[in-house]
Amino acid sequence: KNEVEQSPQNLTAQEGEFITINCSYSVGISALHWLQQHPGGGIVSLFMLSSGKKKHGRLIATINIQEKHSSLHITASHPRDSAVYICAVRDRIQGAQKLVFGQGTRLTINP
Amino acid sequence: NAGVTQTPKFRVLKTGQSMTLLCAQDMNHEYMYWYRQDPGMGLRLIHYSVGEGTTAKGEVPDGYNVSRLKKQNFLLGLESAAPSQTSVYFCASSPHSVRENRYEQYFGPGTRLTVT
Repeated sequence: KNEVEQSPQNLTAQEGEFITINCSYSVGISALHWLQQHPGGGIVSLFMLSSGKKKHGRLIATINIQEKHSSLHITASHPRDSAVYICAVRDRIQGAQKLVFGQGTRLTINP
Repeated sequence: NAGVTQTPKFRVLKTGQSMTLLCAQDMNHEYMYWYRQDPGMGLRLIHYSVGEGTTAKGEVPDGYNVSRLKKQNFLLGLESAAPSQTSVYFCASSPHSVRENRYEQYFGPGTRLTVT
């Protein structure tokens, strides 16, 4: 079993829909990251969480440490949100600076 | 600032050839990483460095070597390329500070390597 599992693996939605991507992990962590990989391949960091919730524009990330689960929400989705969204956890045992990545969720927003 | 840059962007190698991928960052970051990304799999850590002159093995180090002679550069070498090393390679760097974003990683644009 992978240490970091994302669901769904693929998601297609219509413009304007509310999107939720889930991430579950099995190890103790010091923080969780959400990343976005554009169709051209570039990877950018969206959020880093250790508790609670963070919001940036139409993106909201939440984490429940007890349940070892995080969600990434996109409100009023737009075709430009189409990308692969990657969850990564910083493994507390392996060291503070090493990340373990999920397989990614490919999101397609149709106009 | 250019951020994190990688050269080359694309490369095709024959089995047994060698090459070096260069990663450069201009953000004065202490930590640097090399990952590979394969279809259906998450990013996997090959090697990393916590400072100039230091390197350490990651999850999939076999077949690769690295060097960090200067703080801003992190080199990934393939001594004898194999088809299993066909992948997209990403370099990343992160700061080492007391601010909240001290573990945020900044990624380069990637290098697509094909070994035939």
